[in-house]
Amino acid sequence: DAKTTQPNSMESNEEEPVHLPCNHSTISGTDYIHWYRQLPSQGPEYVIHGLTSNVNNRMASLAIAEDRKSSTLILHRATLRDAAVYYCILHNNAGNMLTFGGGTRLMVKP
Amino acid sequence: EAQVTQNPRYLITVTGKKLTVTCSQNMNHEYMSWYRQDPGLGLRQIYYSMNVEVTDKGDVPEGYKVSRKEKRNFPLILESPSPNQTSLYFCASSLLGGLEQYFGPGTRLTVT
Repeated sequence: DAKTTQPNSMESNEEEPVHLPCNHSTISGTDYIHWYRQLPSQGPEYVIHGLTSNVNNRMASLAIAEDRKSSTLILHRATLRDAAVYYCILHNNAGNMLTFGGGTRLMVKP
Repeated sequence: EAQVTQNPRYLITVTGKKLTVTCSQNMNHEYMSWYRQDPGLGLRQIYYSMNVEVTDKGDVPEGYKVSRKEKRNFPLILESPSPNQTSLYFCASSLLGGLEQYFGPGTRLTVT
């Protein structure tokens, strides 16, 4: 499975946008880019996924580089409830295994 | 409410005493999976199931068994638990294999 690289931690101020980067230079053509987050003492929660085009949903936006070797999860207005570990994951669906790396711990300051 | 439930949520047991952690989902999902989460190691997949009677190994299957006799249930069985299986366990399900997985609340297992 192709690996992803994320910063260990990031800080943001409440109500400001947050850009969480992810590098995946060995991504294959069939790999989808998934983002999950894990709030304290909870199970992971699906956020968004995409293949080539940028994606938006009610939780976040996903911006995918043209060469697909990196992507950015965008939280448009961070709230205190967005403080969590965010995981960027590559998944080709055919393999059916979801491999979580270390993720980025997002801290949101009031 | 669409959800994945796990029982028990907390369990302390002794080495060698067989145990089962149940997982149930009410979304009619075909795909179900078990993960363990350990500090510094992130989430690792134990087993997954594409559908009833279809199961396959994940990254760390040793010491675990699963079964999928019904679509909604996917129990995790530890026939002879050992202290290195002390961990936080999550069950997950999705409509299509791997995409948009819904996770349960977790089961914290301690084996002494």
